[in-house]
Amino acid sequence: GESVGLHLPTLSVQEGDNSIINCAYSNSASDYFIWYKQESGKGPQFIIDIRSNMDKRQGQRVTVLLNKTVKHLSLQIAATQPGDSAVYFCAENRRSGGSNYKLTFGKGTLLTVNP
Amino acid sequence: DTGVSQNPRHKITKRGQNVTFRCDPISEHNRLYWYRQTLGQGPEFLTYFQNEAQLEKSRLLSDRFSAERPKGSFSTLEIQRTEQGDSAMYLCASSSGTGYEQYFGPGTRLTVT
Repeated sequence: GESVGLHLPTLSVQEGDNSIINCAYSNSASDYFIWYKQESGKGPQFIIDIRSNMDKRQGQRVTVLLNKTVKHLSLQIAATQPGDSAVYFCAENRRSGGSNYKLTFGKGTLLTVNP
Repeated sequence: DTGVSQNPRHKITKRGQNVTFRCDPISEHNRLYWYRQTLGQGPEFLTYFQNEAQLEKSRLLSDRFSAERPKGSFSTLEIQRTEQGDSAMYLCASSSGTGYEQYFGPGTRLTVT
């Protein structure tokens, strides 16, 4: 549901459940996508990335899926733990002015894991 | 600690004062980025260096903002004549020449009163 206070999409899950966080991107020219985790008062922490020539990539307890047809990205977290509680951002690499390295971030999703 | 470091972590200043923040990237990374993040939003790109060259600046970076990376290692971000709207978290990130992954520092939280 929506969190009116923070204006962030929120997801609340029980410990041990799987979590799916979604992200829509707008630029069909983007060729690289990253998921970051940000805990309160800290900088974003790299989780996993995927290039546009792939549709799935797996890491430790996390999987990223990319659907270029509908410009949709998702992050799946298996066996969610209380330590996974944070705001999750997707970011895209948007080619501009010859620079290939600027990241554009989405709005973020607040994940709350209930013990 | 081999991660990105930023100093100070917190800065409170009065409107109209100048402030300067420092970022030390991961030592072998030649690319350095500055972002700004306000409450409830994702980071917004400000500027980017490759070694000592500043290659891109956002429209968000008004003429009151200046960034330098004189020796291609640490970087400074200065804000002159601060305004209340400058209150935000200022994040620095770095990446290597072979990778796209950007690694972020803990940020400097600026409060302009």
